[in-house]
Amino acid sequence: GNSVTQMEGPVTLSEEAFLTINCTYTATGYPSLFWYVQYPGEGLQLLLKATKADDKGSNKGFEATYRKETTSFHLEKGSVQVSDSAVYFCAVPGNNDMRFGAGTRLTVKP
Amino acid sequence: ETGVTQSPTHLIKTRGQQVTLRCSSQSGHNTVSWYQQALGQGPQFIFQYYREEENGRGNFPPRFSGLQFPNYSSELNVNALELDDSALYLCASSLAGSVYGYTFGSGTRLTVV
Repeated sequence: GNSVTQMEGPVTLSEEAFLTINCTYTATGYPSLFWYVQYPGEGLQLLLKATKADDKGSNKGFEATYRKETTSFHLEKGSVQVSDSAVYFCAVPGNNDMRFGAGTRLTVKP
Repeated sequence: ETGVTQSPTHLIKTRGQQVTLRCSSQSGHNTVSWYQQALGQGPQFIFQYYREEENGRGNFPPRFSGLQFPNYSSELNVNALELDDSALYLCASSLAGSVYGYTFGSGTRLTVV
């Protein structure tokens, strides 16, 4: 079935540094792909999505491109802020569920 | 539009007890899914309800059960609580399955002692 694998981190960056969190997928066909973010003490929030191959999802300065050649959906941000500190999850739909990676904890230091 | 609301936010129960967690779905959403998130891990799928019927289940024992009501709100019931049931329980609502992404609630933190 569909699944995602993401780098687990943790990742620690200084403010204004460039961020990449890797995610690769295994899927039948070309399902939508998602990135969710979880801030401390909260549930998951949809960060961005891409609904077909070669699509780029973007939100709040974050971007991810759905690349079928490399089966990847890496999350990037050009300049991170302290407020971006959170856990990031890559996800792909299964038959009746959403399947998440293990999560990558990002800490941004001033 | 209102988001997904879960109650209670925190709960402490004793091993062997039963617990009921509640979820109100986002307006317009007809599908509710429940996830268990252990500390430091990704969410694990428990089950999904669509139009009051179970529409898929993950690898959880029968002591995890649920309901969905006509207004699309939902309950998660866990019987015979075990220490390993301690986790954040997340409810997510969506429209017509998972293709369009989920809206998650803030979760219920369950501690079993």
